[in-house]
Amino acid sequence: SQKIEQNSEALNIQEGKTATLTCNYTNYSPAYLQWYRQDPGRGPVFLLLIRENEKEKRKERLKVTFDTTLKQSLFHITASQPADSATYLCALTALIFGKGTTLSVSS
Amino acid sequence: DAGVIQSPRHEVTEMGQEVTLRCKPISGHNSLFWYRQTMMRGLELLIYFNNNVPIDDSGMPEDRFSAKMPNASFSTLKIQPSEPRDSAVYFCASSSANLRDSSSGEKLFFGSGTQLSVL
Repeated sequence: SQKIEQNSEALNIQEGKTATLTCNYTNYSPAYLQWYRQDPGRGPVFLLLIRENEKEKRKERLKVTFDTTLKQSLFHITASQPADSATYLCALTALIFGKGTTLSVSS
Repeated sequence: DAGVIQSPRHEVTEMGQEVTLRCKPISGHNSLFWYRQTMMRGLELLIYFNNNVPIDDSGMPEDRFSAKMPNASFSTLKIQPSEPRDSAVYFCASSSANLRDSSSGEKLFFGSGTQLSVL
Protein backbone atom coordinates (compact mmCIF):
# COMPACT_ATOMS: atom_id res chain seq x y z
CA SER A 1 0.00 0.00 0.00
CA GLN A 2 1.03 3.61 -0.44
CA LYS A 3 2.95 5.02 2.46
CA ILE A 4 4.35 8.42 3.37
CA GLU A 5 6.65 9.19 6.26
CA GLN A 6 8.02 12.37 7.73
CA ASN A 7 11.24 11.45 9.39
CA SER A 8 10.73 13.12 12.74
CA GLU A 9 7.78 14.11 14.84
CA ALA A 10 9.58 17.09 16.33
CA LEU A 11 12.47 19.34 15.39
CA ASN A 12 13.93 22.00 17.66
CA ILE A 13 16.30 24.63 16.26
CA GLN A 14 17.61 28.06 17.16
CA GLU A 15 16.49 31.23 15.50
CA GLY A 16 18.50 32.06 12.42
CA LYS A 17 19.36 28.45 11.59
CA THR A 18 18.07 26.47 8.64
CA ALA A 19 15.38 23.90 9.37
CA THR A 20 15.29 20.83 7.12
CA LEU A 21 12.30 18.52 7.14
CA THR A 22 12.16 15.22 5.27
CA CYS A 23 9.31 13.42 3.58
CA ASN A 24 9.74 9.89 2.20
CA TYR A 25 7.19 7.83 0.33
CA THR A 26 6.83 4.30 -1.04
CA ASN A 27 4.71 2.40 -3.52
CA TYR A 28 3.62 5.53 -5.32
CA SER A 29 4.73 7.77 -8.18
CA PRO A 30 3.05 11.10 -7.52
CA ALA A 31 2.76 13.69 -10.25
CA TYR A 32 3.34 16.31 -7.57
CA LEU A 33 3.94 16.76 -3.87
CA GLN A 34 2.71 19.53 -1.59
CA TRP A 35 3.78 21.01 1.73
CA TYR A 36 1.36 22.56 4.23
CA ARG A 37 1.70 24.41 7.51
CA GLN A 38 -0.69 23.75 10.40
CA ASP A 39 -0.98 25.87 13.52
CA PRO A 40 -2.72 24.55 16.67
CA GLY A 41 -6.49 24.58 16.33
CA ARG A 42 -6.39 25.53 12.65
CA GLY A 43 -6.63 23.77 9.34
CA PRO A 44 -3.54 23.18 7.18
CA VAL A 45 -2.44 26.05 4.96
CA PHE A 46 -0.80 25.45 1.59
CA LEU A 47 2.84 26.50 1.23
CA LEU A 48 4.42 24.96 -1.85
CA LEU A 49 3.76 22.47 -4.64
CA ILE A 50 6.51 20.75 -6.60
CA ARG A 51 5.94 18.61 -9.67
CA GLU A 52 7.75 15.41 -10.60
CA ASN A 53 9.71 17.14 -13.36
CA GLU A 54 10.92 19.88 -11.03
CA LYS A 55 14.01 19.43 -8.88
CA GLU A 56 13.60 22.47 -6.69
CA LYS A 57 11.16 25.25 -5.95
CA ARG A 58 11.59 28.36 -3.81
CA LYS A 59 9.30 30.86 -2.16
CA GLU A 60 10.88 33.57 -0.03
CA ARG A 61 12.70 31.70 2.80
CA LEU A 62 11.23 28.34 1.82
CA LYS A 63 12.79 25.78 -0.50
CA VAL A 64 11.49 22.38 -1.52
CA THR A 65 13.32 19.65 -3.40
CA PHE A 66 11.86 16.54 -4.99
CA ASP A 67 13.91 13.45 -5.81
CA THR A 68 11.72 10.88 -7.56
CA THR A 69 14.57 8.36 -7.61
CA LEU A 70 15.01 8.47 -3.86
CA LYS A 71 11.27 9.00 -3.41
CA GLN A 72 12.01 11.88 -1.11
CA SER A 73 11.22 15.56 -0.67
CA LEU A 74 13.16 17.97 1.52
CA PHE A 75 11.63 21.16 2.91
CA HIS A 76 13.98 23.91 4.06
CA ILE A 77 13.28 27.08 6.01
CA THR A 78 16.26 29.41 5.99
CA ALA A 79 16.90 32.10 8.61
CA SER A 80 14.21 30.52 10.78
CA GLN A 81 12.15 32.66 13.14
CA PRO A 82 10.02 31.82 16.19
CA ALA A 83 6.98 32.61 14.02
CA ASP A 84 7.91 29.60 11.86
CA SER A 85 7.05 27.31 14.78
CA ALA A 86 4.23 25.05 13.58
CA THR A 87 3.55 21.56 12.27
CA TYR A 88 4.52 20.98 8.65
CA LEU A 89 2.76 18.32 6.59
CA CYS A 90 3.76 16.83 3.26
CA ALA A 91 1.14 15.38 0.94
CA LEU A 92 1.17 13.12 -2.10
CA THR A 93 -1.39 14.89 -4.32
CA ALA A 94 -4.39 15.49 -2.04
CA LEU A 95 -4.90 11.89 -1.11
CA ILE A 96 -2.16 10.96 1.34
CA PHE A 97 -0.75 13.18 4.07
CA GLY A 98 2.21 12.56 6.33
CA LYS A 99 1.69 12.85 10.08
CA GLY A 100 3.73 16.01 10.15
CA THR A 101 6.83 17.37 11.80
CA THR A 102 6.40 19.90 14.60
CA LEU A 103 9.05 22.59 14.31
CA SER A 104 9.98 24.71 17.31
CA VAL A 105 12.24 27.71 16.74
CA SER A 106 13.67 29.22 19.90
CA SER A 107 14.98 32.77 20.17
CA ASP B 1 -14.14 35.16 -0.13
CA ALA B 2 -14.62 33.87 3.42
CA GLY B 3 -12.78 30.64 2.70
CA VAL B 4 -14.06 27.17 3.51
CA ILE B 5 -16.66 27.36 6.26
CA GLN B 6 -17.30 24.45 8.61
CA SER B 7 -19.89 24.09 11.32
CA PRO B 8 -20.12 23.43 14.13
CA ARG B 9 -16.68 24.34 15.43
CA HIS B 10 -17.05 21.97 18.36
CA GLU B 11 -19.46 19.10 18.89
CA VAL B 12 -19.86 17.05 22.03
CA THR B 13 -22.29 14.16 21.88
CA GLU B 14 -23.06 10.88 23.53
CA MET B 15 -22.35 7.49 22.05
CA GLY B 16 -25.15 6.34 19.79
CA GLN B 17 -26.28 9.81 18.76
CA GLU B 18 -26.31 11.05 15.18
CA VAL B 19 -23.74 13.70 14.29
CA THR B 20 -23.89 15.94 11.22
CA LEU B 21 -20.95 18.06 10.17
CA ARG B 22 -21.38 20.78 7.57
CA CYS B 23 -19.14 22.40 5.01
CA LYS B 24 -19.43 25.28 2.58
CA PRO B 25 -16.60 25.23 0.01
CA ILE B 26 -15.07 28.24 -1.68
CA SER B 27 -17.28 29.46 -4.48
CA GLY B 28 -16.10 28.21 -7.86
CA HIS B 29 -14.14 25.25 -6.50
CA ASN B 30 -15.24 21.98 -8.07
CA SER B 31 -13.58 19.50 -5.70
CA LEU B 32 -14.44 18.94 -2.05
CA PHE B 33 -12.65 16.71 0.45
CA TRP B 34 -13.44 15.42 3.94
CA TYR B 35 -10.53 14.48 6.22
CA ARG B 36 -10.22 13.21 9.77
CA GLN B 37 -7.21 14.06 11.94
CA THR B 38 -6.07 12.22 15.06
CA MET B 39 -2.76 12.12 16.86
CA MET B 40 -2.34 8.43 16.12
CA ARG B 41 -3.24 8.36 12.45
CA GLY B 42 -2.62 11.91 11.30
CA LEU B 43 -4.73 13.45 8.54
CA GLU B 44 -6.71 10.83 6.64
CA LEU B 45 -8.83 11.35 3.55
CA LEU B 46 -12.36 10.03 4.06
CA ILE B 47 -14.07 10.93 0.80
CA TYR B 48 -13.82 13.42 -2.02
CA PHE B 49 -16.27 14.85 -4.53
CA ASN B 50 -15.73 16.32 -7.96
CA ASN B 51 -18.55 18.41 -9.40
CA ASN B 52 -20.80 17.19 -6.56
CA VAL B 53 -20.23 13.52 -7.44
CA PRO B 54 -18.48 11.22 -4.95
CA ILE B 55 -15.30 9.98 -6.62
CA ASP B 56 -13.58 7.94 -3.93
CA ASP B 57 -15.07 6.95 -0.58
CA SER B 58 -12.58 4.20 0.20
CA GLY B 59 -11.41 6.13 3.25
CA MET B 60 -14.81 6.10 4.92
CA PRO B 61 -14.23 3.84 7.92
CA GLU B 62 -17.57 2.05 8.02
CA ASP B 63 -21.20 2.20 7.04
CA ARG B 64 -21.89 4.46 10.00
CA PHE B 65 -20.29 7.24 7.98
CA SER B 66 -22.00 8.88 5.03
CA ALA B 67 -21.37 12.05 3.04
CA LYS B 68 -23.48 14.03 0.63
CA MET B 69 -23.01 17.01 -1.62
CA PRO B 70 -26.46 18.09 -2.80
CA ASN B 71 -25.11 21.18 -4.58
CA ALA B 72 -21.89 22.99 -5.31
CA SER B 73 -22.03 25.10 -2.16
CA PHE B 74 -22.82 22.57 0.55
CA SER B 75 -21.71 19.20 1.86
CA THR B 76 -22.45 17.13 4.95
CA LEU B 77 -20.68 14.31 6.74
CA LYS B 78 -22.93 12.23 8.93
CA ILE B 79 -22.05 9.66 11.57
CA GLN B 80 -24.88 7.45 12.77
CA PRO B 81 -24.58 6.01 15.36
CA SER B 82 -21.51 7.76 16.75
CA GLU B 83 -18.92 5.95 18.87
CA PRO B 84 -16.14 7.22 21.18
CA ARG B 85 -13.49 6.13 18.64
CA ASP B 86 -14.94 8.64 16.18
CA SER B 87 -13.61 11.46 18.36
CA ALA B 88 -11.26 13.51 16.17
CA VAL B 89 -10.98 16.76 14.26
CA TYR B 90 -12.83 16.63 10.95
CA PHE B 91 -11.67 18.94 8.18
CA CYS B 92 -13.30 19.92 4.95
CA ALA B 93 -11.19 21.26 2.09
CA SER B 94 -11.95 22.52 -1.39
CA SER B 95 -9.92 22.91 -4.53
CA SER B 96 -10.23 23.88 -8.16
CA ALA B 97 -8.32 20.72 -9.10
CA ASN B 98 -9.66 17.70 -10.89
CA LEU B 99 -8.02 14.68 -9.29
CA ARG B 100 -8.84 12.59 -12.33
CA ASP B 101 -6.09 14.66 -13.91
CA SER B 102 -3.25 13.91 -11.54
CA SER B 103 -1.11 16.61 -13.05
CA SER B 104 -3.49 19.45 -12.26
CA GLY B 105 -2.02 19.86 -8.82
CA GLU B 106 -4.14 22.60 -7.39
CA LYS B 107 -3.71 23.47 -3.75
CA LEU B 108 -6.25 22.64 -1.08
CA PHE B 109 -8.00 25.23 1.03
CA PHE B 110 -8.97 23.86 4.44
CA GLY B 111 -11.67 24.95 6.83
CA SER B 112 -10.99 25.43 10.53
CA GLY B 113 -12.31 21.98 11.33
CA THR B 114 -14.90 20.48 13.67
CA GLN B 115 -13.62 19.09 16.95
CA LEU B 116 -15.85 16.08 17.65
CA SER B 117 -15.98 14.44 21.06
CA VAL B 118 -18.13 11.36 21.50
CA LEU B 119 -18.60 10.44 25.15
